[in-house]
Amino acid sequence: EAQVTQNPRYLITVTGKKLTVTCSQNMNHEYMSWYRQDPGLGLRQIYYSMNVEVTDKGDVPEGYKVSRKEKRNFPLILESPSPNQTSLYFCASRFLSIGTDTQYFGPGTRLTVL
Amino acid sequence: SQELEQSPQSLIVQEGKNLTINCTSSKTLYGLYWYKQKYGEGLIFLMMLQKGGEEKSHEKITAKLDEKKQQSSLHITASQPSHAGIYLCGADLSGGNQFYFGTGTSLTVIP
Repeated sequence: EAQVTQNPRYLITVTGKKLTVTCSQNMNHEYMSWYRQDPGLGLRQIYYSMNVEVTDKGDVPEGYKVSRKEKRNFPLILESPSPNQTSLYFCASRFLSIGTDTQYFGPGTRLTVL
Repeated sequence: SQELEQSPQSLIVQEGKNLTINCTSSKTLYGLYWYKQKYGEGLIFLMMLQKGGEEKSHEKITAKLDEKKQQSSLHITASQPSHAGIYLCGADLSGGNQFYFGTGTSLTVIP
């Protein structure tokens, strides 16, 4: 079954404690991306990657890091989380070429930073 | 500023009524995606439009991309409670793979 998986689904942490949210896809997609969703602000892109070892900043990259060492995985790293990073996070993947029919989304990770 | 403007922000309709949601961009849309989201859950892909003038339908949902590729509309015919949720448009605005979403339209269908 084609899918994007994220872990954990829910996470409560404290300010400054490093954390990683994992994302994995099984469709051999080149393109992977992270978004955060906040009330009133909608979904905003954090980082995206067009292939292994290629990553680019999206709209709101501050406070986040990503890596793309393997095609299937695209972890999101918060080195020193702060309360303003409390949000709902989504990972997504698709084939790279424009016109690709579907961008698959993971189920979301709800992060609370105290 | 919001790259993609959606209207209306929210919509409450009686079951069986038709409705339209609009997504407008100030830039050319390189691939326009429509998604549906149940509150707090993941996004469900509905349709993707690329060519100006293109129209696609799935069950009772029809999406169109205008000729100038700067506006898309999503039309639901004979709405049902199962159509309720948040509808989001998303697009590549530069051809460079950075992706933007509209702020969403919350749809409530009253039985």
